[in-house]
Amino acid sequence: QQQVKQSPQSLIVQKGGISIINCAYENTAFDYFPWYQQFPGKGPALLIAIRPDVSEKKEGRFTISFNKSAKQFSLHIMDSQPGDSATYFCAASDFGNEKLTFGTGTRLTIIP
Amino acid sequence: GAGVSQSPSNKVTEKGKDVELRCDPISGHTALYWYRQSLGQGLEFLIYFQGNSAPDKSGLPSDRFSAERTGGSVSTLTIQRTQQEDSAVYLCASSADGPTIYFGEGSWLTVV
Repeated sequence: QQQVKQSPQSLIVQKGGISIINCAYENTAFDYFPWYQQFPGKGPALLIAIRPDVSEKKEGRFTISFNKSAKQFSLHIMDSQPGDSATYFCAASDFGNEKLTFGTGTRLTIIP
Repeated sequence: GAGVSQSPSNKVTEKGKDVELRCDPISGHTALYWYRQSLGQGLEFLIYFQGNSAPDKSGLPSDRFSAERTGGSVSTLTIQRTQQEDSAVYLCASSADGPTIYFGEGSWLTVV
């Protein structure tokens, strides 16, 4: 199964708060898990990515947490800012299969 | 170019007409992908090229859709006899070695 399930579909967070988006996958062969950020009218842009040999990766205010046994991974945005308002997609792929399988996206809105 | 370039950025076409969408990948990137994004939806994989060959065309929704890549660079996605359900953003992406892919800004297709 190639499916990647993403939740929530939409999320409203106050400025300064923590935004959390979750994804779950079924294919145990997946070994690369990126998050993409998309602003209206633009293509998705790579935000941060993780491989399953680590449980967490942090880049600035963005952190991926990875739980291999549960087949889940999540994106945490600390100190959320209005400029973070965008649609976020999780994705997964496995070595030798170059295509990314995407989640359905989360529309994040940061309110003042 | 510096990024993935797609043209046209917007296309309005009449139902039943053929359309061609062009993608110019990042220089030196051997892999090229086409995805489709319907309004408010996730990214649907269409086809993947490695060089000029397409080892995975499993996502093409019907035989009205075809794609080619020449010279290991530019790719064209052709939709014949367009239908209203073809209205979407068609996103092209490219990558060098490894799973990180970089998207263009998309071609917005509206079939009326």
